[in-house]
Amino acid sequence: QSALTQPASVSGSPGQSITISCTGTSNNIGGYDLVSWYQHYPRTAPKLVISEVTKRPSGISHRFSGSKSGNTASLTISGLQVEDEAYYYCCSYAGRSSVVFGGGTKLTVL
Amino acid sequence: QVQLQESGPGLVKPSQTLSLTCSVSGGSISGGYYYWTWIRQHPGQGLEWIGYIDDTGRTYYNTSLKSRITISVDTSKNHFSLTLTSVTAADTAIYYCARASEIYPGSGMPHLFDPWGQGTLVTVSS
Repeated sequence: QSALTQPASVSGSPGQSITISCTGTSNNIGGYDLVSWYQHYPRTAPKLVISEVTKRPSGISHRFSGSKSGNTASLTISGLQVEDEAYYYCCSYAGRSSVVFGGGTKLTVL
Repeated sequence: QVQLQESGPGLVKPSQTLSLTCSVSGGSISGGYYYWTWIRQHPGQGLEWIGYIDDTGRTYYNTSLKSRITISVDTSKNHFSLTLTSVTAADTAIYYCARASEIYPGSGMPHLFDPWGQGTLVTVSS
């Protein structure tokens, strides 16, 4: 299973909005509305922030939102805060009970 | 609140077998239509799904690792395990365990991971 493609890094200033893209194929992102996003601070447990493309789990800020178009999913964080600085990973169901992850994006809040 | 914790040796010699355990607390590993999962992260790289075991004991493995991995569950100890044989330096990574949920119970489509363990670094070196 090939990894999903994410930009290595994105940055933004406090209060701004950023979008992280995640590109796959019709065998994963394009074929299923089962994309999830994870926030990861190094040396801690990754945390689910978006599921099923657009759903926010309980306790996740409304500043996090997800979308999908064709084979590309996106995570948007609005009103950037310093504590949003972390790595973000996308994940998609890929058929036959398998999943594939993205390479990760480092978000820097300037 | 379910919590997961990985344990195992931090150093494994090349060609040997890597064995890790994930202890589940705050809930039972049995039932519930969950898939108990192993994921790894090579140094400086993204996440790689290794495989999972469902509540019937059926396993699903990444095809790139299938010949070398075994995932098993011990319901009496409320934990599940990963065995990876014939390790090389390329298996050096942080290994995470996680609980996967299906889109709906019985769908056979696990797609999200929550919660995760904090991860354990395994280095393969002589």
